[in-house]
Amino acid sequence: QQQVKQSPQSLIVQKGGISIINCAYENTAFDYFPWYQQFPGKGPALLIAIRPDVSEKKEGRFTISFNKSAKQFSLHIMDSQPGDSATYFCAAWGSKTSYDKVIFGPGTSLSVIP
Amino acid sequence: DSGVTQTPKHLITATGQRVTLRCSPRSGDLSVYWYQQSLDQGLQFLIQYYNGEERAKGNILERFSAQQFPDLHSELNLSSLELGDSALYFCASSASAENYGYTFGSGTRLTVV
Repeated sequence: QQQVKQSPQSLIVQKGGISIINCAYENTAFDYFPWYQQFPGKGPALLIAIRPDVSEKKEGRFTISFNKSAKQFSLHIMDSQPGDSATYFCAAWGSKTSYDKVIFGPGTSLSVIP
Repeated sequence: DSGVTQTPKHLITATGQRVTLRCSPRSGDLSVYWYQQSLDQGLQFLIQYYNGEERAKGNILERFSAQQFPDLHSELNLSSLELGDSALYFCASSASAENYGYTFGSGTRLTVV
């Protein structure tokens, strides 16, 4: 129930294209679904987050789409750039769960090629 | 610089040994989290401390222990090290115990030989 599934494991996108990463969860007690971005040699950094009562959140080129009934959410990176090449983790967090910590998906390695 | 400081950055040690990883949280943050990152396991939650008290425990081995001191820095102790303990160990902090927005340090890369 604590698991967050993520796909694909790796993704190669051409510059200017759309990168799409999909995630799914089981526990309906989660309150927030953050995305973290990790560059090589660095720790993950919070990128964007969404609550389950919102179907979409956009910040610049990054958009989260959320489907509460399907318990799925996804990250779309529009006009992907080489600087977006990183590992992306979807995650889930719940204030009313017995474990108030972020549960991370396994990660997606994104490479944006020129 | 994220504001979360982890030392050392790299550590090479032999099997059976004991090491201590240190983390200083971002100024004002009371909650500290330890995660282990390996290639095949992703980011695995180990343990959380809030203002000096253990708050939550994940898949932390009995050979591992942690504590948070009055000045809020935290230490993760790993003992009887095995080859499989080789991984990146991240510390993260947040302002409160109920917060999904973590600030991560740059990690300690542990290699057990």
